[in-house]
Amino acid sequence: EVQLLESGGGVVQPGGSLRLSCVASQFTFSNYWMTWVRQAPGGGLEWVASIKHDGSEKTYVDSVKGRFTISRDNTKKSLYLQMDSLRVEDTAVFYCAREARTHYYYMDVWGKGTTVIVSS
Amino acid sequence: SSELTQDPAISVALGQTVRITCQGDSLRSYYGNWYQKKPGQAPVFVIFGKNIRASGIPDRFSVSTSGDTTSLIITGAQAEDEADYYCNSRDSTNSHWVFGGGTKLTVL
Repeated sequence: EVQLLESGGGVVQPGGSLRLSCVASQFTFSNYWMTWVRQAPGGGLEWVASIKHDGSEKTYVDSVKGRFTISRDNTKKSLYLQMDSLRVEDTAVFYCAREARTHYYYMDVWGKGTTVIVSS
Repeated sequence: SSELTQDPAISVALGQTVRITCQGDSLRSYYGNWYQKKPGQAPVFVIFGKNIRASGIPDRFSVSTSGDTTSLIITGAQAEDEADYYCNSRDSTNSHWVFGGGTKLTVL
């Protein structure tokens, strides 16, 4: 079964850092763009960042630019999100998702999520 | 504009048909996608593009697109369809993704 499994969430103080990981299984990870999406408590889904299959292109939502860094290691079938200078408003469940970019654009496989709480 | 607009909440009687709409300029350039989100669970990809359902999604789910609007149609809503539904697409510049604010569907 195609799967994504996130880890690395936790409780951190404002201004702190956290690194999220997402491990893929049962598909050729290196063929796909990957993305991070978050959902704040009581809020909707928000796209955070995406990375090209070879890591050569990265895009971010404006609210995390300069603070978050998306990366990947195709040899480990892993996606990462380094989060620095965390703010209370970054509190959310973070999901990694696989992107499809053929004739259409969509996110077809999602992980179960990892929870990040930024609080003093 | 890079926004997608959805009604916050809709209700439908069991077995009836419901339409959940999503509106935004980016939908004139890119097909919208739909995801189902239940509390405490991961989002589930439902349908995309020109009315193409994801694997395992019942055929009571369909999509209709016109101009800047995409609509998710559930024909014969079931109790298990009660969830939040989100649309998304590429933004008009094809550099970012955008999500709608979500629609809470209640099945009565």
